[in-house]
Amino acid sequence: DGGITQSPKYLFRKEGQNVTLSCEQNLNHDAMYWYRQDPGQGLRLIYYSQIVNDFQKGDIAEGYSVSREKKESFPLTVTSAQKNPTAFYLCASSIDRPSISYNEQFFGPGTRLTVL
Amino acid sequence: AQSVTQLGSHVSVSEGALVLLRCNYSSSVPPYLFWYVQYPNQGLQLLLKYTSAATLVKGINGFEAEFKKSETSFHLTKPSAHMSDAAEYFCAVTEGFGNEKLTFGTGTRLTIIP
Repeated sequence: DGGITQSPKYLFRKEGQNVTLSCEQNLNHDAMYWYRQDPGQGLRLIYYSQIVNDFQKGDIAEGYSVSREKKESFPLTVTSAQKNPTAFYLCASSIDRPSISYNEQFFGPGTRLTVL
Repeated sequence: AQSVTQLGSHVSVSEGALVLLRCNYSSSVPPYLFWYVQYPNQGLQLLLKYTSAATLVKGINGFEAEFKKSETSFHLTKPSAHMSDAAEYFCAVTEGFGNEKLTFGTGTRLTIIP
C-alpha cells in the first residue's frame, strides 16, 4: 500500500527545544517537500529536495533544517530559532521527470505541532 | 512571480445547491492550476488539475473547473452540493516543467447547510 506517512500526528514542544518531524514515502518519488499551514494563510513552502543529499530553501526556511540521506525519507527539524512554530506541517512528494509537463505532488496526513 | 487569490474565506451553500468557489491567478508563463480539498486534520487531496489541455476540467466527486485565460480565473463548481463536500478547498498554481513549486491560495472553507 503505497503512500506518505508522517509521524507523530500530534507533537508538543516546550519553548527552546528542537523537534524533528518524520516524513517517509514508499512511492519511489524523487522529490519531497515540506509545507507549513496556518489558519487563513494557506500552505507555505519550507524546504524541498529533488534528489538525495540535496535540498533547497523554500519561502519560509528560517528556523528550520532538513536532511535527505535516503530517497524515501525527508525529516524536518524545527529549531529553537523558529519564532512561532505552532502550526500544521505537511509533507509531500512527487516524481521528478522534466520530460513530463507537471509532476503531481502527493501529500501526507500532516503533523500538528504545538509549542507550550 | 506566480500568485493565487481565493475570494471568500468562507462559503455556505444549502444541500443540493450550486457550489462556486472562486480562484484568480497571476503567472508570467502559461500556468498549471490545481484544486485541492482538505478535510479536518488531514492532508490535501487533489480534486482536479489544468495542464494546458482542455479548458474545462472534470475532477473527482462531481467537481469541475474552467480555465479562462482572459479572466485569469479557474473557478471550482459542483452542480449539487452534498453534506460530504464540507471541507477546505485550496487553489494552487505552478509553472511546471521542472519547477514544481506550488503557490497556494489562502483557502475557502465550504459549509453545507442541511
